[in-house]
Amino acid sequence: QSALTQPASVSGSPGQSITISCSGSSSDIGTYNLVSWYQQSPGHAPQLLIFEVNKRPSGVSNRFSGAKSGNTASLTISGLQAEDESDYYCCSYAPGSTLVFGGGTKLTVL
Amino acid sequence: QVQLQESGPGLLKASQTLSLTCAVSGGHISTGDFYWTWVRQPPGKGLQWIGYIHHSGAVHSNPSLTSRLTISVDTSNNLLSLRLSSLTAADTAVYYCARLGWIFGVVAGADYMDVWGKGTTVTVSS
Repeated sequence: QSALTQPASVSGSPGQSITISCSGSSSDIGTYNLVSWYQQSPGHAPQLLIFEVNKRPSGVSNRFSGAKSGNTASLTISGLQAEDESDYYCCSYAPGSTLVFGGGTKLTVL
Repeated sequence: QVQLQESGPGLLKASQTLSLTCAVSGGHISTGDFYWTWVRQPPGKGLQWIGYIHHSGAVHSNPSLTSRLTISVDTSNNLLSLRLSSLTAADTAVYYCARLGWIFGVVAGADYMDVWGKGTTVTVSS
């Protein structure tokens, strides 16, 4: 069970858009539309941002959007705000009824 | 509104067994089509999925931990539990419990973790 691959860090200026990629395989992201994204601020538990590739839970800003192409999922944050500075993790359902997380991406708002 | 609260020993020695509980409040652990999962995060590192369980008893776990792991639910007391044996320093982490949504249909599977506990820190000393 290999972790999904995310960039270690991304950065952007307020108001800009950024995209975080999450690369998996044909067995996980490529097979299942069960990709979720989580935001984690230092010292806090993760919070659900996106599920089933591109669905937002109630209460999550529409500045957050998800997509998938082949074995790679992505999270886009538009209209970047200082409060978006956090760690972001992707997660996918995987063979053997398992779950696998990405290594996490640290977003810096310049 | 469902809330989760982890509790555990905090500090353990290598080779010992870790026992954690997660108290579910604001809803019953056997209500709905939810599973319950454990996730951990070593200091300064990313999230690692540990395993999940349904109130029926169906369990799935991370293959790297299966031989040392026991996950259970106590529906009478609304508790989720984790036991991890033969601890090493690599098991030092913040341990979270979370509610796991499930999707049913032609393609069924684990969908999202929408309610999380605040986490409990476990340190394994050598």
